[in-house]
Amino acid sequence: GQNIDQPTEMTATEGAIVQINCTYQTSGFNGLFWYQQHAGEAPTFLSYNVLDGLEEKGRFSSFLSRSKGYSYLLLKELQMKDSASYLCAVRSPSGNTPLVFGKGTRLSVIA
Amino acid sequence: NAGVTQTPKFRILKIGQSMTLQCTQDMNHNYMYWYRQDPGMGLKLIYYSVGAGITDKGEVPNGYNVSRSTTEDFPLRLELAAPSQTSVYFCASRLAGGNTGELFFGEGSRLTVL
Repeated sequence: GQNIDQPTEMTATEGAIVQINCTYQTSGFNGLFWYQQHAGEAPTFLSYNVLDGLEEKGRFSSFLSRSKGYSYLLLKELQMKDSASYLCAVRSPSGNTPLVFGKGTRLSVIA
Repeated sequence: NAGVTQTPKFRILKIGQSMTLQCTQDMNHNYMYWYRQDPGMGLKLIYYSVGAGITDKGEVPNGYNVSRSTTEDFPLRLELAAPSQTSVYFCASRLAGGNTGELFFGEGSRLTVL
């Protein structure tokens, strides 16, 4: 089975940097995903990590440590539009296996 | 290119009624999924399919059925609606062997069972 943990809520100030952590315990691992979901909308893909290290994409970066079962999503230069839920999801070794999602972290960006 | 299209977007059902949530994708994706999302919760997998004619249960399949007669369509059937099935349902698809395997989601179907 797979267990994915992330904080329920976070608040950060516009222009600041925020780090959203995700820890996972899985019977196998074949990639970790981060999705963004605005209220009332569908999730949209942000990032994918399968090897250890940092993946940077504009204001967003995602880090993975497979040995620690740990990932984080880093959001820089926060904007009000970044207020959303951020979902961590893990895929097991089989290429056919669906993603398992954490409960998501609701981020509120305040002025 | 429409992506993943779900219908209806909203529906209210009475207990015991049946209905089908439709999902179609025009990206020629092999894999399709149905998730449900309850308030403050993550996405829970109901059923998935790796290709036409092949379906498999996810984490919460009870009370639902699916079929996959074509690559494009993956309808989700609720036979005897119960209040516990009040939720937002998301259909998603992805390409087998894609670079990242990212999921593409439909806009969601909001179902209330009274």
